[in-house]
Amino acid sequence: AQSVTQLGSHVSVSEGALVLLRCNYSSSVPPYLFWYVQYPNQGLQLLLKYTSAATLVKGINGFEAEFKKSETSFHLTKPSAHMSDAAEYFCAVSDNTGGFKTIFGAGTRLFVKA
Amino acid sequence: DSGVTQTPKHLITATGQRVTLRCSPRSGDLSVYWYQQSLDQGLQFLIQYYNGEERAKGNILERFSAQQFPDLHSELNLSSLELGDSALYFCASSLRDMGVGYTFGSGTRLTVV
Repeated sequence: AQSVTQLGSHVSVSEGALVLLRCNYSSSVPPYLFWYVQYPNQGLQLLLKYTSAATLVKGINGFEAEFKKSETSFHLTKPSAHMSDAAEYFCAVSDNTGGFKTIFGAGTRLFVKA
Repeated sequence: DSGVTQTPKHLITATGQRVTLRCSPRSGDLSVYWYQQSLDQGLQFLIQYYNGEERAKGNILERFSAQQFPDLHSELNLSSLELGDSALYFCASSLRDMGVGYTFGSGTRLTVV
């Protein structure tokens, strides 16, 4: 069965600094990988997705993620943090084993300091 | 507005009661997914429907049931409610069920007292 581990439940960065949110996955077959963002009192919004095309995936709001099969990782980065990036971020994995469900990580809350 | 509509937004009910949560998927989407989000359990997959048929089941309790109707809207029924069922319930939709991201609704916050 697939699973996702997000390292760090909380990450704090200064405005303008690099954002790095870590995600490792487990899947017995080539996975589909996703990053979502959740702002307070809202539903999740898709940031980007990996579906076996390019290993470096660009998303909305300046975020990107790199699929590294050898490390089973899909870390999310943004070169320069903005105050509006403060939110909770979820990594997710889905594959065609055990049904067509998507499994979400526990989430990482990003704090951005002025 | 994501295009996925969930009603009601808030629901307060007593233990032992039954409630129905409703979801209208984004126009054109055939798959509907239900998730439960709580502080201690995180985002838990409950169940998925595709064009009216159940496609995948997650950690859904026997007290919970769902269905997707011919017009593609879905309902999640929660019965014999317990305090621990208090959570945010999200519905999401997608055109197909693999390789695509989901569009989430804004959720129904259920409080059981």
